[in-house]
Amino acid sequence: KQEVTQIPAALSVPEGENLVLNCSFTDSAIYNLQWFRQDPGKGLTSLLLIQSSQREQTSGRLNASLDKSSGRSTLYIAASQPGDSATYLCASRGTNAGKSTFGDGTTLTVKP
Amino acid sequence: DAGVTQSPTHLIKTRGQQVTLRCSPKSGHDTVSWYQQALGQGPQFIFQYYEEEERQRGNFPDRFSGHQYPNYSSELNVNALLLGDSALYLCASFALGQAQETQYFGPGTRLLVL
Repeated sequence: KQEVTQIPAALSVPEGENLVLNCSFTDSAIYNLQWFRQDPGKGLTSLLLIQSSQREQTSGRLNASLDKSSGRSTLYIAASQPGDSATYLCASRGTNAGKSTFGDGTTLTVKP
Repeated sequence: DAGVTQSPTHLIKTRGQQVTLRCSPKSGHDTVSWYQQALGQGPQFIFQYYEEEERQRGNFPDRFSGHQYPNYSSELNVNALLLGDSALYLCASFALGQAQETQYFGPGTRLLVL
């Protein structure tokens, strides 16, 4: 059974800092890994998706990496802004049609 | 493209009642999954529908049931509501067999059981 863990549960940084969010998973046989952003009381917004054959994906100030052998993924946010404040969730999918298993998220606060 | 839409946005029910939540997938998507998200936790997989059939199911009791229509829209039904069913219910869609198969989520339905 896949288990996904995100540490820390909460993170507070000053504006402008570069930061890394961590995601670990127990079963390395994943199909893909997806990072999401969730604002309070809202749905999930997809940020980046990494296929199992890929090592990283980039979009603007965001960069996500995947290391299946160690069961880890990281989300790097460059030059953080107050608008980046949200909960960030990672989810692994085991097969192309499989369910996604989520971590409990890291709640990020970027202070002006 | 409206993306994934869900209705209603909020719902208040009492214990023992039944509820139906609705989801319309993103245009071009044929697979719909439902998730339950309790406060402060990550979403938990309920079940997935493809070609109008339940293809996978998570660890949820039979009180949770669903349906998918020919236009790919889906419903989640919960019978005999319990206080613990209070949560944000999320619908996700993707196109099976499409490159990358990125999942897109709707805004969710907030259910409160009193």
